[in-house]
Amino acid sequence: NAGVTQTPKFQVLKTGQSMTLQCAQDMNHNSMYWYRQDPGMGLRLIYYSASEGTTDKGEVPNGYNVSRLNKREFSLRLESAAPSQTSVYFCASTTFYEQYFGPGTRLTVT
Amino acid sequence: GENVEQHPSTLSVQEGDSAVIKCTYSDSASNYFPWYKQELGKRPQLIIDIRSNVGEKKDQRIAVTLNKTAKHFSLHITETQPEDSAVYFCAASTYTDKLIFGTGTRLQVFP
Repeated sequence: NAGVTQTPKFQVLKTGQSMTLQCAQDMNHNSMYWYRQDPGMGLRLIYYSASEGTTDKGEVPNGYNVSRLNKREFSLRLESAAPSQTSVYFCASTTFYEQYFGPGTRLTVT
Repeated sequence: GENVEQHPSTLSVQEGDSAVIKCTYSDSASNYFPWYKQELGKRPQLIIDIRSNVGEKKDQRIAVTLNKTAKHFSLHITETQPEDSAVYFCAASTYTDKLIFGTGTRLQVFP
């Protein structure tokens, strides 16, 4: 039982490049989330998916897109990366309130 | 929408002392209040939570209190140990399972 997994662990992009962050969970959870964590800002919700086939914007969705591929997988895409998107990205999943987090992806945009 | 404020942003205590972290929320419909601990370079992990129909909950050295009238809740850690050093986040949610987090408190416990 791996819980919530994320790939890659680290990534460096140049401004304007695109990439997709992958997230998968094996706990049969319905809801999945993408957060970004910046110093002094806590965890801010980018997008979430309450169930397979549905996605909704969170607090800071601009510059991101998501896909809930199936119940297990929820990906986050940066179409044209900007230095302001330098952050640590966490994926999480839940069924009844408690959120289980992945190990995070540290993204640097130069 | 919901807004969660957390204080203090940093807290230093001597080993064995108590630590208290406070959060306030804005949405009176919020009904679930978890606390997460994040050690350096690791993922946040749930340490305790409380629902709106309960005023206090304890788990060994940690406790959470909730005042619905004032819309604030607090984390209490007694007999602090160096391994309690971490960043602590409070959060709140309504009937959805979408959490809104506070900005975090860095707790340092000095031996």
